[in-house]
Amino acid sequence: DVKVTQSSRYLVKRTGEKVFLECVQDMDHENMFWYRQDPGLGLRLIYFSYDVKMKEKGDIPEGYSVSREKKERFSLILESASTNQTSMYLCASRRSHGHQPQHFGDGTRLSIL
Amino acid sequence: AQSVTQPDIHITVSEGASLELRCNYSYGATPYLFWYVQSPGQGLQLLLKYFSGDTLVQGIKGFEAEFKRSQSSFNLRKPSVHWSDAAEYFCAVGARGGSNYKLTFGKGTLLTVNP
Repeated sequence: DVKVTQSSRYLVKRTGEKVFLECVQDMDHENMFWYRQDPGLGLRLIYFSYDVKMKEKGDIPEGYSVSREKKERFSLILESASTNQTSMYLCASRRSHGHQPQHFGDGTRLSIL
Repeated sequence: AQSVTQPDIHITVSEGASLELRCNYSYGATPYLFWYVQSPGQGLQLLLKYFSGDTLVQGIKGFEAEFKRSQSSFNLRKPSVHWSDAAEYFCAVGARGGSNYKLTFGKGTLLTVNP
């Protein structure tokens, strides 16, 4: 089975802090994703990485950046956290070839105070 | 651009009753279609997927879904619901071709199961 691991289940940070969310997958998947999930808005794609050191903006990239230095790890960075970034963050990965689904981690619930 | 509509925000059924969750999509060609389930505090788990071929797709946990091109629908069904099926369910559509990595999700349907 695919395992996507997010480093923290719950995280509390302060406004203005630089925040790192980490995601690791163990299936050698080329593609990795970061979403945020908010009530009534569903899942929205923040950033996507199609391979190591490759990234592409999703639908809501403002206020975020990402890093993919190794194939198995995809980091989401909040450069200067704000209260409107309080949310559930979900990481996913998939094999790039063929018609492959995305596999999700358990999520990080981030609160910015 | 593709889009997904899940018309029911919240559905309540009794344990043992049948279930149908609705999903309508908008896409210019035949899409890839997925159903995911999310238990409280967890990530999304893939229930089933449709790419081509047989329009009735079997998934895990006794779920099935039927792709109906004429209705642009991909409804999820289960003949007899168990209390452990209480969760939020998301339908998603994926594009074919160059942007095939991207999934567009519906806003979800929350399922409550009464004993």
